[in-house]
Amino acid sequence: DADVTQTPRNRITKTGKRIMLECSQTKGHDRMYWYRQDPGLGLRLIYYSFDVKDINKGEISDGYSVSRQAQAKFSLSLESAIPNQTALYFCATSDRGLYGYTFGSGTRLTVV
Amino acid sequence: GESVGLHLPTLSVQEGDNSIINCAYSNSASDYFIWYKQESGKGPQFIIDIRSNMDKRQGQRVTVLLNKTVKHLSLQIAATQPGDSAVYFCAENGSGANSKLTFGKGITLSVRP
Repeated sequence: DADVTQTPRNRITKTGKRIMLECSQTKGHDRMYWYRQDPGLGLRLIYYSFDVKDINKGEISDGYSVSRQAQAKFSLSLESAIPNQTALYFCATSDRGLYGYTFGSGTRLTVV
Repeated sequence: GESVGLHLPTLSVQEGDNSIINCAYSNSASDYFIWYKQESGKGPQFIIDIRSNMDKRQGQRVTVLLNKTVKHLSLQIAATQPGDSAVYFCAENGSGANSKLTFGKGITLSVRP
């Protein structure tokens, strides 16, 4: 099994719909992140969590919300999806005191 | 503001040649740097890292060089293979326990047979 698992891998949804992307990890890491990747723009941080009771906005949090249900689970929600949220979404984890991130395989989201 | 950027968006190399991918960073307080490789349809994967108290680190076929004077990071891939074709990202981590990685935009490496 992958260390960081994202579900679904692909999703097509309609404008205005609520959608949740899920991330679970078996690394035992405290820190979890959600990134968005668009062509030419690299990885942009949406939200991050340093432990179960900690939630922080990243650089592009508008239109998104998150929930840290447990140390191993961090979900990203789009309350009312819009077409410009079409992108590749990545979840990542890291351990406190160590700086390298482990990424999931990504969720390709298309909003039509 | 602080930023991490790559000089070129694409790099094409002949199979067997050495590849050099460059990255400029602007946060002089960054103390840790990473190179990631992202293959099509996959998430970024760690390649090699280097701390600011070093100027060179070698792995298997890869070498990272850090020049703090000009805030420059490079990734060298020896004997480039078709499997090296991917997007490469540099990332920097500012100093402090709660700092986060900042990623460059990525460069595509294309290996010609």
